[in-house]
Amino acid sequence: NAGVTQTPKFRVLKTGQSMTLLCAQDMNHEYMYWYRQDPGMGLRLIHYSVGEGTTAKGEVPDGYNVSRLKKQNFLLGLESAAPSQTSVYFCASSESSGRETQYFGPGTRLLVL
Amino acid sequence: GDSVTQMEGPVTLSEEAFLTINCTYTATGYPSLFWYVQYPGEGLQLLLKATKADDKGSNKGFEATYRKETTSFHLEKGSVQVSDSAVYFCALSPTDSWGKLQFGAGTQVVVTP
Repeated sequence: NAGVTQTPKFRVLKTGQSMTLLCAQDMNHEYMYWYRQDPGMGLRLIHYSVGEGTTAKGEVPDGYNVSRLKKQNFLLGLESAAPSQTSVYFCASSESSGRETQYFGPGTRLLVL
Repeated sequence: GDSVTQMEGPVTLSEEAFLTINCTYTATGYPSLFWYVQYPGEGLQLLLKATKADDKGSNKGFEATYRKETTSFHLEKGSVQVSDSAVYFCALSPTDSWGKLQFGAGTQVVVTP
């Protein structure tokens, strides 16, 4: 099993450009999450999904959109990138809610100039 | 709201030293508590967890006890190795959570030979 994979690993964008980050999991998990990691702030939840076709906002959703058309994939979109979105983005998945372990991908480092 | 506070780093230790990382939380009810570890260049992975008061989570020589009376979940290891150098995150999942994790800011641990 590959677990949770993320594409790309690193990307540089100019302000105003758009991009999509792809997350894939092969564990048949229902729940998927997108986090951003910034120095001194831990991880903050951007959006999440509790099943195929569902999405919901997390703690810091502004400037991002997501889609979960297939159970194994969770896409994070930036429509018009801003320097404040420079961060490391992590995708995670879990079998179900609450007390279950979340499994994280290796991360995508995004730099917005 | 729910929150997690953990000691700031970096924490620098010599090999075979005793490690303690303090973590306290604010939450209603009985959240689940977790320690995640992030090795350099990787995503987070679960180190240990506890789901009810007085539970002790343990893994790879690390231990943490869920203390409801002091709202704490301190991480300890009796003899650290260079390979334990990483960033450690304390996190909680609220009682009525659908899967949300509230992370602390992370504590970097550096173990020198």
